[in-house]
Amino acid sequence: QKEVEQDPGPLSVPEGAIVSLNCTYSNSAFQYFMWYRQYSRKGPELLMYTYSSGNKEDGRFTAQVDKSSKYISLFIRDSQPSDSATYLCAMSTYAGNNRKLIWGLGTSLAVNP
Amino acid sequence: KAGVTQTPRYLIKTRGQQVTLSCSPISGHRSVSWYQQTPGQGLQFLFEYFSETQRNKGNFPGRFSGRQFSNSRSEMNVSTLELGDSALYLCASSLNSAQSTDTQYFGPGTRLTVL
Repeated sequence: QKEVEQDPGPLSVPEGAIVSLNCTYSNSAFQYFMWYRQYSRKGPELLMYTYSSGNKEDGRFTAQVDKSSKYISLFIRDSQPSDSATYLCAMSTYAGNNRKLIWGLGTSLAVNP
Repeated sequence: KAGVTQTPRYLIKTRGQQVTLSCSPISGHRSVSWYQQTPGQGLQFLFEYFSETQRNKGNFPGRFSGRQFSNSRSEMNVSTLELGDSALYLCASSLNSAQSTDTQYFGPGTRLTVL
């Protein structure tokens, strides 16, 4: 079993829908949680960064971390065709210079006009 | 400010050959990390260089190596290529350390196909 599990999709929604993307993890030591967006033929770009539990909002994007359930989510409100991309979750523990990011496989999202 | 650039963008090699990939980080960034991305395994960390020194290393065989130059540009080398090395190789740069809270900025990647 992988340390980080993410449903690969594909997920297809109409424009304006609320999208929910999720990752589960097994290592309770993870404290830093990130969501990246990757467009086709591009590298990932950081969308949201959260430390420990709680919610964080940035425009149409909300990141949630539930450490008790080992579950993180990314919500996209009023989704747009430009949101069509692969969304990757990543997480790490705090261990000084030996910290490593562990990645989910990514969820492919298509927002249809 | 120019982003992270990687060359070449596409490569086709045959088994047993070796390959060198190049990465130019964002100006002022001293940390460069390399990742391998495949559909089955996702993004896997190869290694990180900071100020010309390898500071972190993932779980890849010794056929995968890298180096960083004084201008922070980095190269990675894969020797004795195997079919399973076919992947997108991504380079990411950050100001200080790829493994801290510094934001990593990724290049577009080099798509390597091994025949």
